[in-house]
Amino acid sequence: GNSVTQMEGPVTLSEEAFLTINCTYTATGYPSLFWYVQYPGEGLQLLLKATKADDKGSNKGFEATYRKETTSFHLEKGSVQVSDSAVYFCALSPFTGGGNKLTFGTGTQLKVEL
Amino acid sequence: GAVVSQHPSRVICKSGTSVKIECRSLDFQATTMFWYRQFPKKSLMLMATSNEGSKATYEQGVEKDKFLINHASLTLSTLTVTSAHPEDSSFYICSAKPGTGDQPQHFGDGTRLSIL
Repeated sequence: GNSVTQMEGPVTLSEEAFLTINCTYTATGYPSLFWYVQYPGEGLQLLLKATKADDKGSNKGFEATYRKETTSFHLEKGSVQVSDSAVYFCALSPFTGGGNKLTFGTGTQLKVEL
Repeated sequence: GAVVSQHPSRVICKSGTSVKIECRSLDFQATTMFWYRQFPKKSLMLMATSNEGSKATYEQGVEKDKFLINHASLTLSTLTVTSAHPEDSSFYICSAKPGTGDQPQHFGDGTRLSIL
């Protein structure tokens, strides 16, 4: 079956530090990959996605590249802010839009300090 | 656009009580809605897929008689936790998908359920 593995948190960084959150996946076929962000007490928001190998998803300074050879979709940001503090979920779907059958990782909490 | 409202945001009730959680798509029609449960420091677990006008499809291990889902209109799905017990305490999140194609899911803000 499909599965997503994320690095354990929490990840604590100083403001303006470089961020990497690792994500690897196991899936049959060619899934689409997603990063969702969950701010405290809120639901999930789609941060970015990539639908095929070598695609790069980007949004709000965050980037992730779909690497089929390493089955990875690591999330990166060059300079984090306190407002980026949240839980980040990597997910995959057998469908391009992610409208069905999302499989989530366990989430990685990011804490950004001044 | 694509706003999903979930209500209530937090509920505390006594053991044995039934609790209803509403999920509304405010600015789009949602043929399909999803219900997730999130345990502390864990990922989201899909509980069931709710389709307007038909019975919900439950994931393996989820008790359908315990977690009643109704999707009576294109903008509203409800999850009722029947005879809730402390082990049902959790964060429940709904999502809704516009249209009938492979559109992204839009998530509600979740409901924190605490059973005393």
